[in-house]
Amino acid sequence: EPEVTQTPSHQVTQMGQEVILRCVPISNHLYFYWYRQILGQKVEFLVSFYNNEISEKSEIFDDQFSVERPDGSNFTLKIRSTKLEDSAMYFCASSERGRGETQYFGPGTRLLVL
Amino acid sequence: QKEVEQDPGPLSVPEGAIVSLNCTYSNSAFQYFMWYRQYSRKGPELLMYTYSSGNKEDGRFTAQVDKSSKYISLFIRDSQPSDSATYLCAMEGGAGTALIFGKGTTLSVSS
Repeated sequence: EPEVTQTPSHQVTQMGQEVILRCVPISNHLYFYWYRQILGQKVEFLVSFYNNEISEKSEIFDDQFSVERPDGSNFTLKIRSTKLEDSAMYFCASSERGRGETQYFGPGTRLLVL
Repeated sequence: QKEVEQDPGPLSVPEGAIVSLNCTYSNSAFQYFMWYRQYSRKGPELLMYTYSSGNKEDGRFTAQVDKSSKYISLFIRDSQPSDSATYLCAMEGGAGTALIFGKGTTLSVSS
């Protein structure tokens, strides 16, 4: 069964450093998402991406964040200058189409900012 | 008022019990309602998906949506220890395709 994969599974970084989280969505899916979950809190939407551009973003997704689809299979989330409060589980998701379609989640990357 | 509210529990039941999990929401624009299951430190896994009001059954799981009351439920029959997880309700149908999640209810089923 096709699945969303994410690398790395864990990342530890120093405050102020840049991190790139990587995702390989399901191959025939056209919509891609990033969500995050701070420990003990809700899963929160960050950004959606379709047709090589951001289609929607939340208030959390400020100028520190960027997304990219550098090739036909990868989808990345970059955090330019990490803060302590960026420590969270980051989930990538993808869906075949947009509204009303099931979003399939990856296993997540646990980011710890020291 | 928070968009999606869900009692975080924890909820502990014996094996074989019927479990009822619920969420309320405030945004009447939501049209798509989902239940995800999340094991510790793993990604959410879709369990049930319902469009608009009504019931949907899949094996031991039944999802109900009452849009007039802005209330959704997930029932688990004959609960098993393997059902022990956090159950997240999620909704879509506002301006975009973002899923709005509840905080999740942690369920523990003891054998």
